[in-house]
Amino acid sequence: NAGVMQNPRHLVRRRGQEARLRCSPMKGHSHVYWYRQLPEEGLKFMVYLQKENIIDESGMPKERFSAEFPKEGPSILRIQQVVRGDSAAYFCASSPRRGNTGELFFGEGSRLTVL
Amino acid sequence: GQQLNQSPQSMFIQEGEDVSMNCTSSSIFNTWLWYKQDPGEGPVLLIALYKAGELTSNGRLTAQFGITRKDSFLNISASIPSDVGIYFCAGCDTGNQFYFGTGTSLTVIP
Repeated sequence: NAGVMQNPRHLVRRRGQEARLRCSPMKGHSHVYWYRQLPEEGLKFMVYLQKENIIDESGMPKERFSAEFPKEGPSILRIQQVVRGDSAAYFCASSPRRGNTGELFFGEGSRLTVL
Repeated sequence: GQQLNQSPQSMFIQEGEDVSMNCTSSSIFNTWLWYKQDPGEGPVLLIALYKAGELTSNGRLTAQFGITRKDSFLNISASIPSDVGIYFCAGCDTGNQFYFGTGTSLTVIP
């Protein structure tokens, strides 16, 4: 059973360009979460999605950032008009639905560098 | 969003020593999770706890789900150099939302 797959692992963009980060959850997982991590810091929640629905986007900036999890294909985190402050590691995690309990499995992350 | 209180923030120990770290929350959780993150990698799930009072082991690691459902601890026995990394706790609430601790950085001195 393949784990959570993220690509690209590393992405370099110039200011003003767009960054698209992709995440394929583990097989059978319909819940996807995106987190952002700065060096030497913890995981900051951005958005929680189920297939075709955004459940909670309270951690995601209202401008320039968007996320989707279509019926077919991977989840996408999109950052438009990137700025230097967007440089970070972005982690995707997936979870199976198990009633009121859950586990969360992470991908290897996508490291965005904005020049 | 909510962040759990995790302590200590960092630890420097001699190889062979035991390690203990804990996490507390103002909210109750249905699941407590412990992760280890190596530099440049994603967090890896070490232990998952589902019931208040539950004590679970994974090799040299032991974790407990607090009776109040607001805390959890992780113990590592007989530490080895490869235990070095950052350890995160996480709690899952009834809304399937996960909240993370601030991390404990562990350094093992050979």
